[in-house]
Amino acid sequence: KAGVTQTPRYLIKTRGQQVTLSCSPISGHRSVSWYQQTPGQGLQFLFEYFSETQRNKGNFPGRFSGRQFSNSRSEMNVSTLELGDSALYLCASSYLGQNTEAFFGQGTRLTVV
Amino acid sequence: QKEVEQDPGPLSVPEGAIVSLNCTYSNSAFQYFMWYRQYSRKGPELLMYTYSSGNKEDGRFTAQVDKSSKYISLFIRDSQPSDSATYLCAMSAGRNNRLAFGKGNQVVVIP
Repeated sequence: KAGVTQTPRYLIKTRGQQVTLSCSPISGHRSVSWYQQTPGQGLQFLFEYFSETQRNKGNFPGRFSGRQFSNSRSEMNVSTLELGDSALYLCASSYLGQNTEAFFGQGTRLTVV
Repeated sequence: QKEVEQDPGPLSVPEGAIVSLNCTYSNSAFQYFMWYRQYSRKGPELLMYTYSSGNKEDGRFTAQVDKSSKYISLFIRDSQPSDSATYLCAMSAGRNNRLAFGKGNQVVVIP
């Protein structure tokens, strides 16, 4: 069974640009959660999608958005990038949204210059 | 005050030693407690999952939860160089609730 796949693995963007990250969950999983990981703040919850609907949202500005498609694949978008957005972005999938049994992808390392 | 506190200081131990990690939390609603292991350039992987207070053992790993003190621990016995990783605690109020993570502890096991 394939794991959670995130693409791309690495990205370098310039301040002010926007970026879209992709997450393909484990086959059959309907929930996808996104996290930002930085050395200073650790892992912080961005949002969760379940069956194409946003179910939970963390305390991030509106520049961070996401969506989920009918095949459960999810994308997150960050507009007007800031230097502080440099981080490892992780997604996690679970079968029915039981976040206590979520599986993480390897992450997308975003660097904003 | 952050919901979950985990002293991120790196920890170096000799092979075979016991590794002791802990987290404290402030949210009384937390019922589910997890420990994740994250190797460099990888995503976190679930190690242990405990519901409410008590102990849970899985091989060389033991997780303890003391809800009265809002304190959880992870012990690794007979540590191996392959245990070298960052260990993150995580908690949630319900199985479908968002996870709140500690900052993680980097552990280095020296052969």
